[in-house]
Amino acid sequence: DIQMTQSPSSLSASLGDRVTITCRASQDIGNYLTWFQQKPGKSPRRMIYGATNLAAGVPSRFSGSRSGSDYSLTISSLESEDVADYHCLQSIQYPLTFGSGTKLEIK
Amino acid sequence: QVQLQQSGAELVKPGSSVKISCKASGYTFTSYDMHWIKQQPGNGLEWIGWIYPGNGNTKYNQKFNGKATLTADKSSSTAYMQLSSLTSEDSAVYFCARDGGWFAYWGQGTLVTVSS
Repeated sequence: DIQMTQSPSSLSASLGDRVTITCRASQDIGNYLTWFQQKPGKSPRRMIYGATNLAAGVPSRFSGSRSGSDYSLTISSLESEDVADYHCLQSIQYPLTFGSGTKLEIK
Repeated sequence: QVQLQQSGAELVKPGSSVKISCKASGYTFTSYDMHWIKQQPGNGLEWIGWIYPGNGNTKYNQKFNGKATLTADKSSSTAYMQLSSLTSEDSAVYFCARDGGWFAYWGQGTLVTVSS
């Protein structure tokens, strides 16, 4: 199985900060990487797909990037509505595997 | 618009089975895989498997072989997941999610609580 190592597990940042969350893949997954945002009691919401593509309706302060086997989700200027859990998903190989999640809070 | 409406919360006894549903609307049900995902309280997400309603083909995470059974009813555009021999480890929220768009569409989740 492909392991997705997500870091950090939790993150506290100030409004307006630049925030980056990373997933490292244990095998080559190409660009088959999706980022989700999940708020308490809600379903995951797709934010970034294909590693770098912004999903429809997602604010432009969100972006995705790849460097080798490291995939990053960046929020350029943190807003209060961004408080949530964030998950990555690799979909190149079965079983599909998620990162362990990052809890993002406001400092 | 695409909607996935899941069945309500379930309280079930250890050793029993439960069948939860995911009713699809707004698209051709038989044309897209339907995935199922587990989320235990405070934990991350875990992929269970998918079913292709067009022909009933399934693919499971080996971890859930014998635990989860995926079916689909084309006449009602509804996907089902049956969980058997339930234990406390099966207490979780279960989501259905449609493929064909990098998991853009999710149901609202069904809470299954296993307790005597």
